[in-house]
Amino acid sequence: DAGVIQSPRHEVTEMGQEVTLRCKPISGHNSLFWYRQTMMRGLELLIYFNNNVPIDDSGMPEDRFSAKMPNASFSTLKIQPSEPRDSAVYFCASTRRASGSAGELFFGEGSRLTVL
Amino acid sequence: GNSVTQMEGPVTLSEEAFLTINCTYTATGYPSLFWYVQYPGEGLQLLLKATKADDKGSNKGFEATYRKETTSFHLEKGSVQVSDSAVYFCALSAASGGSYIPTFGRGTSLIVHP
Repeated sequence: DAGVIQSPRHEVTEMGQEVTLRCKPISGHNSLFWYRQTMMRGLELLIYFNNNVPIDDSGMPEDRFSAKMPNASFSTLKIQPSEPRDSAVYFCASTRRASGSAGELFFGEGSRLTVL
Repeated sequence: GNSVTQMEGPVTLSEEAFLTINCTYTATGYPSLFWYVQYPGEGLQLLLKATKADDKGSNKGFEATYRKETTSFHLEKGSVQVSDSAVYFCALSAASGGSYIPTFGRGTSLIVHP
């Protein structure tokens, strides 16, 4: 069974450009999470979705960040305009939200973003 | 709110040494507890888990016991290998409004020398 798939794996862009990161969760999973990882701040939860609906976006740093989940098999995280401080590894993770589920997360391999 | 505190790294050991990485938590209700491992250039992957008090999770020689009385979930391994070098994250998952909200610690880097 395929795991969580993220693209691109690496992105280098210039300040002010729009960046779109993509995620395909594991089939059958109905919760999806976006995380950001930096040396300074560790792993930060940005936003999560249940059944394609955003539940909590309080971790999104500012209005430059937006996330969508148009269907159960696809999500995007967009940064517009990007800034050098957005440089980080962005992870997508999914899980099956169900009664009795322990809430184990399955992570993608991450998208490493560098904003020059 | 929920939180996870784990010992700061890096932890540097020689091969075959004993490993302990401490983890304590605060949470309302009865969370499930996890250890995830992140190898260089990869995403996090589940190492082991425990879903109720006194449960012991184990995998690849690693163990951790869910201690409700001390709110702890310390990771141990009797004999580490160079291939165990990675970052280890303690985490909890607690129910909130029908969802399971994950909370992660800051991660502990483990470096094992031959």
